[in-house]
Amino acid sequence: ELKVEQNPLFLSMQEGKNYTIYCNYSTTSDRLYWYRQDPGKSLESLFVLLSNGAVKQEGRLMASLDTKARLSTLHITAAVHDLSATYFCAVGHGNQFYFGTGTSLTVIP
Amino acid sequence: DVKVTQSSRYLVKRTGEKVFLECVQDMDHENMFWYRQDPGLGLRLIYFSYDVKMKEKGDIPEGYSVSREKKERFSLILESASTNQTSMYLCASSFLGANIQYFGAGTRLSVL
Repeated sequence: ELKVEQNPLFLSMQEGKNYTIYCNYSTTSDRLYWYRQDPGKSLESLFVLLSNGAVKQEGRLMASLDTKARLSTLHITAAVHDLSATYFCAVGHGNQFYFGTGTSLTVIP
Repeated sequence: DVKVTQSSRYLVKRTGEKVFLECVQDMDHENMFWYRQDPGLGLRLIYFSYDVKMKEKGDIPEGYSVSREKKERFSLILESASTNQTSMYLCASSFLGANIQYFGAGTRLSVL
């Protein structure tokens, strides 16, 4: 069974600071997805990473994938309050998706 | 825009009731999924379907069944609801090959 581990589970950071969320997975895959979930809302796709070394950036978020290390990172630059949400990584394997437990991010003014 | 619509945002049911959760997508996606989301456990796959009348068990299928009679509709059935099935249920769809998934708004089910 494919396992996906995210850390940290909870992250409280001050506005303007940088931080990284890590996503490790147990079985070879070259499809990695990042989602954002706001409280009471559904999941919204942020990034799709489809090859080793892939890097994607959108605003203050940057995601990367290292398939050899089975690791993806979501880097937050100069955090702002609007980024407060829960972030999930998911690994694609066959027709299925395997999700991490999520990282609950709170950005403090 | 892709739309995945779940029939109810909130449901309250009694133990032992049969519960139907409906999901409809409008993008002609082959794959459809049902997850449940619980605090600290992330999303866990209950069932998925890659074609009409086809279904595959996910990680936690016990106590659930599904139906896919039409490509755009995927139903999750709780045969006899129990309190431990109180949860947020999320439906998603995607094209074959596990490309990006699109999620519905979720149904928060409470079983009393």
